[in-house]
Amino acid sequence: KQEVTQIPAALSVPEGENLVLNCSFTDSAIYNLQWFRQDPGKGLTSLLLIQSSQREQTSGRLNASLDKSSGRSTLYIAASQPGDSATYLCAVREGSGGYQKVTFGIGTKLQVIP
Amino acid sequence: DAGITQSPRHKVTETGTPVTLRCHQTENHRYMYWYRQDPGHGLRLIHYSYGVKDTDKGEVSDGYSVSRSKTEDFLLTLESATSSQTSVYFCAISETSGLHYEQYFGPGTRLTVT
Repeated sequence: KQEVTQIPAALSVPEGENLVLNCSFTDSAIYNLQWFRQDPGKGLTSLLLIQSSQREQTSGRLNASLDKSSGRSTLYIAASQPGDSATYLCAVREGSGGYQKVTFGIGTKLQVIP
Repeated sequence: DAGITQSPRHKVTETGTPVTLRCHQTENHRYMYWYRQDPGHGLRLIHYSYGVKDTDKGEVSDGYSVSRSKTEDFLLTLESATSSQTSVYFCAISETSGLHYEQYFGPGTRLTVT
Protein backbone atom coordinates (compact mmCIF):
# COMPACT_ATOMS: atom_id res chain seq x y z
CA LYS A 1 0.00 0.00 0.00
CA GLN A 2 1.37 3.37 -1.00
CA GLU A 3 2.15 5.76 1.84
CA VAL A 4 3.03 9.41 1.40
CA THR A 5 4.84 11.35 4.10
CA GLN A 6 5.48 15.06 4.22
CA ILE A 7 8.14 16.59 6.41
CA PRO A 8 8.04 18.92 8.21
CA ALA A 9 4.41 19.05 9.28
CA ALA A 10 4.74 22.78 9.89
CA LEU A 11 7.28 25.41 9.00
CA SER A 12 7.65 29.07 9.88
CA VAL A 13 10.11 31.25 7.99
CA PRO A 14 10.82 34.98 7.64
CA GLU A 15 9.83 36.66 4.41
CA GLY A 16 12.44 36.42 1.67
CA GLU A 17 13.87 33.06 2.67
CA ASN A 18 14.21 30.20 0.23
CA LEU A 19 12.68 26.99 1.54
CA VAL A 20 12.25 23.32 0.73
CA LEU A 21 9.27 21.12 1.44
CA ASN A 22 9.73 17.37 1.35
CA CYS A 23 7.50 14.53 0.18
CA SER A 24 8.41 10.85 0.33
CA PHE A 25 6.52 7.84 -0.95
CA THR A 26 6.97 4.14 -0.33
CA ASP A 27 6.24 2.61 -3.74
CA SER A 28 8.33 4.06 -6.54
CA ALA A 29 6.08 2.69 -9.31
CA ILE A 30 4.22 5.95 -9.70
CA TYR A 31 2.72 7.53 -12.81
CA ASN A 32 3.15 11.12 -11.68
CA LEU A 33 3.30 13.36 -8.63
CA GLN A 34 1.31 16.53 -8.09
CA TRP A 35 1.88 19.38 -5.64
CA PHE A 36 -1.10 21.34 -4.35
CA ARG A 37 -1.65 24.41 -2.23
CA GLN A 38 -4.58 24.64 0.18
CA ASP A 39 -5.59 27.86 1.87
CA PRO A 40 -7.63 27.65 5.10
CA GLY A 41 -11.23 26.71 4.41
CA LYS A 42 -10.57 26.38 0.70
CA GLY A 43 -10.12 23.67 -1.88
CA LEU A 44 -6.85 22.45 -3.35
CA THR A 45 -5.08 24.43 -6.05
CA SER A 46 -2.76 22.54 -8.37
CA LEU A 47 0.76 23.96 -8.41
CA LEU A 48 2.95 21.55 -10.35
CA LEU A 49 2.67 18.13 -11.94
CA ILE A 50 5.75 15.99 -12.54
CA GLN A 51 5.53 12.92 -14.74
CA SER A 52 7.46 9.83 -13.60
CA SER A 53 9.89 10.31 -16.50
CA GLN A 54 10.69 13.88 -15.51
CA ARG A 55 13.18 15.16 -12.96
CA GLU A 56 11.71 18.58 -12.27
CA GLN A 57 9.12 21.18 -13.13
CA THR A 58 9.20 24.92 -12.61
CA SER A 59 6.52 27.55 -12.32
CA GLY A 60 7.58 31.04 -11.34
CA ARG A 61 9.21 30.90 -7.90
CA LEU A 62 8.32 27.23 -7.49
CA ASN A 63 10.46 24.30 -8.50
CA ALA A 64 9.50 20.70 -7.89
CA SER A 65 11.92 17.83 -8.27
CA LEU A 66 11.32 14.10 -8.41
CA ASP A 67 13.67 11.23 -7.61
CA LYS A 68 11.44 8.27 -8.29
CA SER A 69 13.99 5.61 -7.46
CA SER A 70 14.47 6.95 -3.95
CA GLY A 71 10.79 7.80 -3.49
CA ARG A 72 11.28 11.52 -2.93
CA SER A 73 10.07 14.84 -4.20
CA THR A 74 10.89 18.34 -3.06
CA LEU A 75 9.10 21.62 -3.57
CA TYR A 76 11.46 24.57 -3.57
CA ILE A 77 9.99 28.02 -2.98
CA ALA A 78 12.29 30.92 -3.75
CA ALA A 79 12.11 34.31 -2.05
CA SER A 80 9.12 33.39 0.10
CA GLN A 81 6.30 35.91 0.59
CA PRO A 82 3.53 36.18 3.20
CA GLY A 83 1.08 35.23 0.45
CA ASP A 84 2.79 31.84 0.23
CA SER A 85 1.39 30.97 3.66
CA ALA A 86 -0.79 27.89 3.16
CA THR A 87 -0.72 24.14 3.50
CA TYR A 88 1.16 22.33 0.75
CA LEU A 89 0.13 18.81 -0.19
CA CYS A 90 1.76 16.28 -2.43
CA ALA A 91 -0.08 13.43 -4.11
CA VAL A 92 1.25 10.44 -6.02
CA ARG A 93 -0.66 8.75 -8.79
CA GLU A 94 -0.32 5.07 -9.63
CA GLY A 95 -1.51 3.20 -12.69
CA SER A 96 -1.87 4.45 -16.23
CA GLY A 97 -4.84 5.20 -18.43
CA GLY A 98 -8.34 5.00 -16.99
CA TYR A 99 -8.65 5.25 -13.23
CA GLN A 100 -5.49 5.98 -11.34
CA LYS A 101 -5.19 5.60 -7.60
CA VAL A 102 -4.06 8.81 -5.92
CA THR A 103 -2.52 8.88 -2.45
CA PHE A 104 -2.15 12.18 -0.61
CA GLY A 105 0.21 13.29 2.09
CA ILE A 106 -1.14 15.13 5.12
CA GLY A 107 0.65 18.30 4.11
CA THR A 108 3.14 20.88 5.36
CA LYS A 109 1.66 24.01 6.89
CA LEU A 110 3.81 26.97 5.89
CA GLN A 111 3.79 30.36 7.57
CA VAL A 112 5.83 33.17 6.07
CA ILE A 113 6.36 35.97 8.56
CA PRO A 114 6.55 39.54 7.21
CA ASP B 1 -10.07 26.50 -13.12
CA ALA B 2 -11.86 23.29 -14.14
CA GLY B 3 -15.33 24.73 -13.56
CA ILE B 4 -16.20 22.66 -10.48
CA THR B 5 -18.85 23.77 -8.03
CA GLN B 6 -20.15 22.05 -4.93
CA SER B 7 -23.40 22.52 -3.07
CA PRO B 8 -24.16 23.14 -0.35
CA ARG B 9 -20.93 24.69 0.88
CA HIS B 10 -21.88 24.23 4.52
CA LYS B 11 -24.41 21.93 6.13
CA VAL B 12 -25.37 20.94 9.64
CA THR B 13 -27.53 17.87 9.99
CA GLU B 14 -28.66 15.48 12.67
CA THR B 15 -27.53 11.91 13.18
CA GLY B 16 -29.64 9.45 11.23
CA THR B 17 -30.81 11.81 8.51
CA PRO B 18 -29.93 11.32 4.85
CA VAL B 19 -27.75 13.97 3.22
CA THR B 20 -26.90 14.56 -0.44
CA LEU B 21 -23.98 16.62 -1.63
CA ARG B 22 -23.75 17.77 -5.22
CA CYS B 23 -20.75 18.25 -7.45
CA HIS B 24 -21.23 20.01 -10.77
CA GLN B 25 -18.69 20.45 -13.55
CA THR B 26 -19.02 22.37 -16.75
CA GLU B 27 -16.22 20.93 -18.89
CA ASN B 28 -17.38 17.43 -19.73
CA HIS B 29 -14.70 15.58 -17.75
CA ARG B 30 -15.10 11.83 -17.70
CA TYR B 31 -13.60 11.12 -14.28
CA MET B 32 -15.06 12.57 -11.09
CA TYR B 33 -14.15 11.81 -7.48
CA TRP B 34 -15.41 12.36 -3.96
CA TYR B 35 -12.87 12.72 -1.15
CA ARG B 36 -13.11 13.53 2.51
CA GLN B 37 -10.48 15.45 4.43
CA ASP B 38 -10.01 15.04 8.16
CA PRO B 39 -7.33 16.35 10.53
CA GLY B 40 -4.37 13.98 10.70
CA HIS B 41 -5.38 12.20 7.50
CA GLY B 42 -4.60 12.90 3.90
CA LEU B 43 -7.50 13.18 1.54
CA ARG B 44 -9.22 9.83 1.33
CA LEU B 45 -11.20 8.62 -1.66
CA ILE B 46 -14.84 7.75 -1.02
CA HIS B 47 -16.13 6.92 -4.50
CA TYR B 48 -15.26 7.78 -8.05
CA SER B 49 -16.99 7.76 -11.41
CA TYR B 50 -15.59 7.00 -14.84
CA GLY B 51 -18.71 7.87 -16.81
CA VAL B 52 -22.46 8.24 -16.65
CA LYS B 53 -23.83 5.49 -14.40
CA ASP B 54 -20.30 4.08 -13.97
CA THR B 55 -19.06 4.33 -10.41
CA ASP B 56 -16.78 2.42 -8.08
CA LYS B 57 -15.77 2.41 -4.43
CA GLY B 58 -12.78 4.06 -2.89
CA GLU B 59 -11.03 3.28 0.37
CA VAL B 60 -13.66 4.75 2.75
CA SER B 61 -16.95 4.01 1.00
CA ASP B 62 -18.94 2.49 3.87
CA GLY B 63 -22.03 4.57 4.65
CA TYR B 64 -21.85 6.46 1.36
CA SER B 65 -23.45 6.00 -2.04
CA VAL B 66 -23.06 7.93 -5.26
CA SER B 67 -24.91 8.49 -8.49
CA ARG B 68 -24.06 9.99 -11.82
CA SER B 69 -27.00 10.31 -14.17
CA LYS B 70 -25.44 13.12 -16.20
CA THR B 71 -21.84 13.82 -17.14
CA GLU B 72 -21.86 17.12 -15.30
CA ASP B 73 -23.28 16.00 -11.95
CA PHE B 74 -21.88 13.59 -9.37
CA LEU B 75 -23.95 13.17 -6.21
CA LEU B 76 -22.72 11.85 -2.87
CA THR B 77 -25.35 10.55 -0.45
CA LEU B 78 -24.88 9.76 3.21
CA GLU B 79 -27.66 7.29 3.70
CA SER B 80 -27.94 7.78 7.46
CA ALA B 81 -25.50 10.41 8.69
CA THR B 82 -23.28 9.63 11.68
CA SER B 83 -21.00 11.87 13.72
CA SER B 84 -17.97 10.11 12.20
CA GLN B 85 -19.00 11.54 8.84
CA THR B 86 -18.43 15.09 10.06
CA SER B 87 -15.76 16.20 7.62
CA VAL B 88 -14.91 18.41 4.70
CA TYR B 89 -15.90 16.80 1.42
CA PHE B 90 -14.14 17.61 -1.82
CA CYS B 91 -15.13 16.78 -5.34
CA ALA B 92 -12.43 16.46 -7.96
CA ILE B 93 -12.07 15.78 -11.66
CA SER B 94 -9.23 14.35 -13.70
CA GLU B 95 -8.19 16.34 -16.67
CA THR B 96 -5.91 14.84 -19.23
CA SER B 97 -3.46 16.93 -21.14
CA GLY B 98 -2.15 14.37 -23.55
CA LEU B 99 -1.12 11.58 -21.21
CA HIS B 100 -0.74 13.91 -18.26
CA TYR B 101 -3.51 13.14 -15.81
CA GLU B 102 -3.99 16.02 -13.43
CA GLN B 103 -6.58 16.51 -10.72
CA TYR B 104 -8.55 19.66 -10.00
CA PHE B 105 -10.67 20.20 -6.93
CA GLY B 106 -13.88 21.93 -6.03
CA PRO B 107 -14.14 24.37 -3.11
CA GLY B 108 -15.39 21.77 -0.64
CA THR B 109 -18.46 21.19 1.52
CA ARG B 110 -18.13 21.38 5.27
CA LEU B 111 -20.56 18.90 6.82
CA THR B 112 -21.30 18.74 10.53
CA VAL B 113 -23.36 15.86 11.90
CA THR B 114 -24.74 16.56 15.39
